[in-house]
Amino acid sequence: QTVVTQEPSLTVSPGGTVTLTCASSTGAVTSGYYPNWFQQKPGQAPRALIYSTSIKHSWTPARFSGSLLGGKAALTLSGVQPEDEAEYYCLLYYGGAQVFGGGTKLTVL
Amino acid sequence: QVQLVQSGAEVKKPGASVKVSCKASGYIFTDYSIHWVRQAPGQRLEWMGWINGGNGITRYSQKFQGRVIITRDTSASTAYMELSSLRSEDTAVYYCAKSRGQGVDHWGQGTLVTVSS
Repeated sequence: QTVVTQEPSLTVSPGGTVTLTCASSTGAVTSGYYPNWFQQKPGQAPRALIYSTSIKHSWTPARFSGSLLGGKAALTLSGVQPEDEAEYYCLLYYGGAQVFGGGTKLTVL
Repeated sequence: QVQLVQSGAEVKKPGASVKVSCKASGYIFTDYSIHWVRQAPGQRLEWMGWINGGNGITRYSQKFQGRVIITRDTSASTAYMELSSLRSEDTAVYYCAKSRGQGVDHWGQGTLVTVSS
């Protein structure tokens, strides 16, 4: 059973920078896992932010960026806004099957 | 613009089956896959499987293998997810989403399935 692990919660100040990570129980996350990142606010469907590690969708704000960091996928928010408070999920590709991480609750305080 | 419109909420008894539809518009249905994802109340997103809109090939999460069937009707640009042998733990919001590379971009609005005796 593959497990994808994210920080359960993080807190950041408005205007600050925060990095969320996504680790795989199978080992280092590489570009071949095609990491995706999603934002979900209460009562809403998820919204896609990043695909294939670092590619932004046309609607993704410039302050969001994706990368690989220390064997994990990473999502960095620079210049955090109050509206960025949400749950963030990563999704990894395992040769056809896909697995979501447990989610990170980001609080902007 | 891309839209995925799902069928309405369902209430089912334990042991029954449910079939949720996802009607796509705004893109060529057969050029992309449709993924199904669920989220139990207060829980994480859970990937269930996908179907290739063009050739109908499917891939399911091991967790749901044998209990889920994903199909599509290309003439209606609609994908379906049928889950059988329902139990209370299957109470969740079920989402469809359009593929983008090895991931997804656009999501449906979600369908609440409640399993209760």
